[in-house]
Amino acid sequence: DAGVTQSPTHLIKTRGQHVTLRCSPISGHKSVSWYQQVLGQGPQFIFQYYEKEERGRGNFPDRFSARQFPNYSSELNVNALLLGDSALYLCASSLGTPDQPQHFGDGTRLSIL
Amino acid sequence: RKEVEQDPGPFNVPEGATVAFNCTYSNSASQSFFWYRQDCRKEPKLLMSVYSSGNEDGRFTAQLNRASQYISLLIRDSKLSDSATYLCVVNPSGDMRFGAGTRLTVKP
Repeated sequence: DAGVTQSPTHLIKTRGQHVTLRCSPISGHKSVSWYQQVLGQGPQFIFQYYEKEERGRGNFPDRFSARQFPNYSSELNVNALLLGDSALYLCASSLGTPDQPQHFGDGTRLSIL
Repeated sequence: RKEVEQDPGPFNVPEGATVAFNCTYSNSASQSFFWYRQDCRKEPKLLMSVYSSGNEDGRFTAQLNRASQYISLLIRDSKLSDSATYLCVVNPSGDMRFGAGTRLTVKP
């Protein structure tokens, strides 16, 4: 079975641009979460979606937005990119209950020049 | 105070050693707990869930102390392949909170 898939794998942007990252969850998983990981730190929670509704939001500015589609895939959008947005962006899917672990995709490595 | 705090490491141990990682969390309402491992420039992968009664999976043993808000991971008979960063994860309400991770290097 396919795991969580993310695209693109790598992306280079310049300050002020916007970016859209995509994620397809494991088949049967209805929850998708997004995380940002900078070097030397653990992943930081950005958003969680369940059944197309936002379930949780981390401490990120409004430049970050996301949505989940009827097929449970998801997009993360970041506007007005800053140098500090350079990071590995991870998508994780799960069945949606707190006792269930999340399973991660390979991530999108975003570099801002 | 950080939501999840871990030993900063790094831990450098010889093959065959026993090594223990500790983790504390601040949200007493947290419902579920996990250990993930992350290899360099890769995604985190689930190592094991942590249950209130403690649980074991081969060479790995996880413990949870809710009163002290403390989680531990014990690795016995370390292998070279255990070299990775170990992430303590707490799930207060469906969104996982990660520690910064503890780097382990197992040497021949």
